[in-house]
Amino acid sequence: SAVISQKPSRDICQRGTSLTIQCQVDSQVTMMFWYRQQPGQSLTLIATANQGSEATYESGFVIDKFPISRPNLTFSTLTVSNMSPEDSSIYLCSARGGDPQAFFGQGTRLTVV
Amino acid sequence: AQKITQTQPGMFVQEKEAVTLDCTYDTSDQSYGLFWYKQPSSGEMIFLIYQGSYDEQNATEGRYSLNFQKARKSANLVISASQLGDSAMYFCAMRPRMDSSYKLIFGSGTRLLVRP
Repeated sequence: SAVISQKPSRDICQRGTSLTIQCQVDSQVTMMFWYRQQPGQSLTLIATANQGSEATYESGFVIDKFPISRPNLTFSTLTVSNMSPEDSSIYLCSARGGDPQAFFGQGTRLTVV
Repeated sequence: AQKITQTQPGMFVQEKEAVTLDCTYDTSDQSYGLFWYKQPSSGEMIFLIYQGSYDEQNATEGRYSLNFQKARKSANLVISASQLGDSAMYFCAMRPRMDSSYKLIFGSGTRLLVRP
């Protein structure tokens, strides 16, 4: 199983600013993903982070708002840009290696004021 | 449309008893995977159990078992001998088309509260 470290674990940010969330996996993985969990809701996939190329975004999510980087097989970042209170959520990094299941980081609890 | 449905927003169970959390799914794919995750109040997502669509036996992992009924498209999670630490949100998820996309589709979740 993969161990995923995500930071920061929580943050309170001013509206209009940006926050970059880092995700580090302890082993090389084929796939990395970013999910959003709005308060009291389920998880929604934002994008698949592709190593060496642009991320693949799901419907309703755009690169200008959620730029993603994945410079290698163990690391990815998600930036939440020009934040508004509606961006207050838990953001979760996920990774999959050879196992059927995906593993998750501990999440970043973001509050925008 | 591919969808996961969890019809129980909240459940109570007495400590040491068994509980079943319901999950139904909808997919036209022949090959897919079903997962259960636990989310404590801390927010992390903890993998519990996996069932492949072609697996003939129901999956088991310690106190967790998955009651897989393919014809009825259900994948219920059974937790035996509940413990206070089992109190959490539980999400059922599906990975459609096991041979291509690896993204997960999640249900709305069930909040389980274990009573002492």
